[in-house]
Amino acid sequence: LAKTTQPISMDSYEGQEVNITCSHNNIATNDYITWYQQFPSQGPRFIIQGYKTKVTNEVASLFIPADRKSSTLSLPRVSLSDTAVYYCLVDNNAGNMLTFGGGTRLMVKP
Amino acid sequence: GAGVSQSPSNKVTEKGKDVELRCDPISGHTALYWYRQSLGQGLEFLIYFQGNSAPDKSGLPSDRFSAERTGGSVSTLTIQRTQQEDSAVYLCASSLPRGTSGPPKQYFGPGTRLTVT
Repeated sequence: LAKTTQPISMDSYEGQEVNITCSHNNIATNDYITWYQQFPSQGPRFIIQGYKTKVTNEVASLFIPADRKSSTLSLPRVSLSDTAVYYCLVDNNAGNMLTFGGGTRLMVKP
Repeated sequence: GAGVSQSPSNKVTEKGKDVELRCDPISGHTALYWYRQSLGQGLEFLIYFQGNSAPDKSGLPSDRFSAERTGGSVSTLTIQRTQQEDSAVYLCASSLPRGTSGPPKQYFGPGTRLTVT
């Protein structure tokens, strides 16, 4: 079972790039990596997903090195509204092993 | 369109009572998931349904927990003889079927906050 660990919290300022890294040393061949964002009193919301190398969408990039033992979510030019908790998820796509990290609380300051 | 809905939004119950939590997935989503989120903690995966079938129930914390899904739509999570440690937010998510191109995007409901006194 892939154990996932993330920093508990991070601070940043508006306009900066933020990188949040998740460690998943025991990741298996079939596992995918997904990142979710959660605001208070809401359910998590999908941000991005990848298997290896780099994935980019309109809101974020996901970097996964060749050994896949970690992944980094990159948020370009954050704003105050990006203040939230960010979770990485390691998912074996079989529906029986979905392991979330403990979440990283990002605080964006003016 | 309508998202995932959960009811009740809040539930306070006495220790030892049974509770039933309900999840209405997005129409057409055949996959459904239950998670538990304790105060200030991450998400703990409980169970996954594909249609009405849950192939693996090992994520349920104890035999006091059960879940069912009928008609490929609504799901209920039942906790019998509730304990104080069951207090948490219970989140439901739904998605399109799992395939070969990676896990589908999960859409989460707002959760049910359960407090056991």
